[in-house]
Parts: sequence; C-alpha cells; structure tokens
Amino acid sequence: GAVVSQHPSRVICKSGTSVKIECRSLDFQATTMFWYRQFPKQSLMLMATSNEGSKATYEQGVEKDKFLINHASLTLSTLTVTSAHPEDSSFYICSASPAGGPFTDTQYFGPGTRLTVL
Amino acid sequence: DAKTTQPTSMDCAEGRAANLPCNHSTISGNEYVYWYRQIHSQGPQYIIHGLKNNETNEMASLIITEDRKSSTLILPHATLRDTAVYYCIVSPLRNQAGTALIFGKGTTLSVSS
Repeated sequence: GAVVSQHPSRVICKSGTSVKIECRSLDFQATTMFWYRQFPKQSLMLMATSNEGSKATYEQGVEKDKFLINHASLTLSTLTVTSAHPEDSSFYICSASPAGGPFTDTQYFGPGTRLTVL
Repeated sequence: DAKTTQPTSMDCAEGRAANLPCNHSTISGNEYVYWYRQIHSQGPQYIIHGLKNNETNEMASLIITEDRKSSTLILPHATLRDTAVYYCIVSPLRNQAGTALIFGKGTTLSVSS
C-alpha cells in the first residue's frame, strides 16, 4: 500500500509562535494533498487542498494567511500555522493520492500531528 | 456536508461478525462508497471501496444494495483491535475528480471480549 508520513507527530509551542508540519508521501508521487483538522470528539474537517506547483485552495472559514501551505514537490507538502494561539490546538492530518500506479483511486492518510499551543 | 448516515455507535463481541450499516440515498452515478476507520489518535486507515458490486479484501467485505442507496461493511471476525470510528464516505474516484474526502460523524464500534 501507499505510505504517508507526518513530522512532527507532536509539538507544543508558545502562543504567538509559528509551527511547520511536514507531510510526505514515502513511496509514491502525489500531485494533490489534503490537510484536515480534527478537534477532540469531532470528525475530520477539510482545511485545504494542496496542489503541487500552485496555490492551495482553502475551505470556507479557513484563513489562508494563518495556515500557509506549500507543495513544493510531488512528495512533500507543508502546513505552517502562523502566530499560533490556543484555539489552534488540534490534531492536524494530511492525506495524499498517488498520481500513478495501482493505488490512484483512494487517499492515504498520515498519522497526524498533535499541536498544543500554550 | 457528508452525504451519508451512520449509527452513532455499535457494540460487537470479539470473534463475531461486525456489520456496520450506512445510508447514502442521494448517491450519484459516478460516486463510489468508501470506508475508512480511525483508531484513537491516529490517521484514518483505508478499508475498502466499491461502486455497485460487492467487494472483499483481507480486511473486510462491502455489500452495496442494488439501488446503491445503502451499504454494509462487514468485519467477519472482529477483534479488540477493530475498536475504532468507522467512516462511510461517498465520493467520485479521486483521480477522476481530484476531490477531497468529506467525513461525517461515523460509527464508533466497540469490540469487547
């Protein structure tokens, strides 16, 4: 199967600082990656669609200047939470679909990054 | 918004079959039924997907009704490690539409010994 990794798995930061989360497709190339956020006891909520070589598409209500997304290569997308505040504390999950090969018809998810803002 | 309806929770005894229902009465002709599960504090794990025929893999079986308005995910011999939230999602094949998967609330399956 296809493997997606995220780094870091857990991060604690002070209010006002910025945090970068990496999402990598380890054994496939992905032209599109997706970023989700999950608050406790809730379902995953789509934040944005990340396209390699172009600007990300953000869902309604997600601030693009606060959640910076860069998809610089076919195997790496990054999410930077700028000027983080306690309400940004959440579980951030990325997903990706292979651009070719036998697994193109579904998405594979990373293990998630737990962000805690103090 | 999610286009599926699932029971909030279900219980299953270890070793028995777990049958998880899903209603998707507004499913379109080009939409597939996907099932994912999420074990606590992990990313979702792909289980199975199908269009109209029943599907089986090493993890589960997917039974889709003839009118495609509902489906059932079957875990033939549930174990304690199958305790998770199970999500039923309808979506076009990703490589055709490039659309994200939209998650509903899912079903919390609790497997007990």
